[in-house]
Amino acid sequence: GENVEQHPSTLSVQEGDSAVIKCTYSDSASNYFPWYKQELGKGPQLIIDIRSNVGEKKDQRIAVTLNKTAKHFSLHITETQPEDSAVYFCAAPPSGGGADGLTFGKGTHLIIQP
Amino acid sequence: SAVISQKPSRDICQRGTSLTIQCQVDSQVTMMFWYRQQPGQSLTLIATANQGSEATYESGFVIDKFPISRPNLTFSTLTVSNMSPEDSSIYLCSVENTDTQYFGPGTRLTVL
Repeated sequence: GENVEQHPSTLSVQEGDSAVIKCTYSDSASNYFPWYKQELGKGPQLIIDIRSNVGEKKDQRIAVTLNKTAKHFSLHITETQPEDSAVYFCAAPPSGGGADGLTFGKGTHLIIQP
Repeated sequence: SAVISQKPSRDICQRGTSLTIQCQVDSQVTMMFWYRQQPGQSLTLIATANQGSEATYESGFVIDKFPISRPNLTFSTLTVSNMSPEDSSIYLCSVENTDTQYFGPGTRLTVL
């Protein structure tokens, strides 16, 4: 099955700086890579995803990059704001497409220091 | 996207009892999933809820402990049976819509 590793487990950055979270996966057939943000007491919220036919995707201050050769993908948040403080999870499908449940990384607790 | 609701939002239960969690989505979806998130941990897939057939369970999860129903394309239930304190977790319903997975708000279960 798929194995997803996520680093770091905790990341503290100054407000306005950038944050980068990295994940690696094991199944070379995986082709869908979502990122979720989970705030305290809430369910995970999809913030961005990328499919294997592109190397980068941006949505305002958030971007995701994918390196299929190295089997890793990263979340980039620029101009961080206090509301970005949360736990972020990367995920990948167990094999092939997105019709199966996801395998999640262990999560990154992002702390934005004012 | 999809709007997903879960009931109850939280509960405190005695060991040995069972709790049924409901998941309702605002549109018909083919795939529904149930996840568990233990305190301070990541999400682990319990099973895929199949409409019209038995659920597909992941390794480490069995139907006797986590029976699942999926009577139609917008609703599913997960029962946590014969609970012990180790079952204290957040239980999350998820649906797939246009090749993207969305999550409900979760049910926070505490077993005493």
